[in-house]
Amino acid sequence: DSGVTQTPKHLITATGQRVTLRCSPRSGDLSVYWYQQSLDQGLQFLIQYYNGEERAKGNILERFSAQQFPDLHSELNLSSLELGDSALYFCASSAGLAGGTNTGELFFGEGSRLTVL
Amino acid sequence: GQNIDQPTEMTATEGAIVQINCTYQTSGFNGLFWYQQHAGEAPTFLSYNVLDGLEEKGRFSSFLSRSKGYSYLLLKELQMKDSASYLCAVRGLYSGAGSYQLTFGKGTKLSVIP
Repeated sequence: DSGVTQTPKHLITATGQRVTLRCSPRSGDLSVYWYQQSLDQGLQFLIQYYNGEERAKGNILERFSAQQFPDLHSELNLSSLELGDSALYFCASSAGLAGGTNTGELFFGEGSRLTVL
Repeated sequence: GQNIDQPTEMTATEGAIVQINCTYQTSGFNGLFWYQQHAGEAPTFLSYNVLDGLEEKGRFSSFLSRSKGYSYLLLKELQMKDSASYLCAVRGLYSGAGSYQLTFGKGTKLSVIP
């Protein structure tokens, strides 16, 4: 158990709909990252928050948005869903900003499997 | 930008040794990670290298050569439970972000056979 909690574990919805994925980081971790993993792609970095503020944006579509709340949990909002958005969405957390003197390893949640029909 | 290459699939025999290679190109290199991911599960941290050389941790070892942009993960005394995907990830300066981020390779699916 990594200590990172994601809900829901599975989600099935239709094209055009909107869903919200939730993530609670490990106790004490300030950084939250969102990744997308589809069958033909590796883990694709979407976005990072650090202590409530957006820190870095990766390959995140404009239809997607995220935020980190004062209690450090984070939500990823996916709207106008398309078939191609079907994927595993992982949240990860780390103690601080990557690039420090510690290893900066990421701890991953179990993921939310989104199926768009 | 970042570019990471690793073999798509490998097969090895229980009890044997297998080496999974990873080559990378990155800006502002700040460490290389190996993660293990069983199908449908979360990636879990295996090893970290930031300096050249070999890091050993039980049955798993990881090697890094920064000048060659090359790493490998060595798994000894293979067990059936080692069947999983192994992800090479490089921490480097992420373009447009001004921060360090982990970029993952597509992973190497290892199948351990009896």
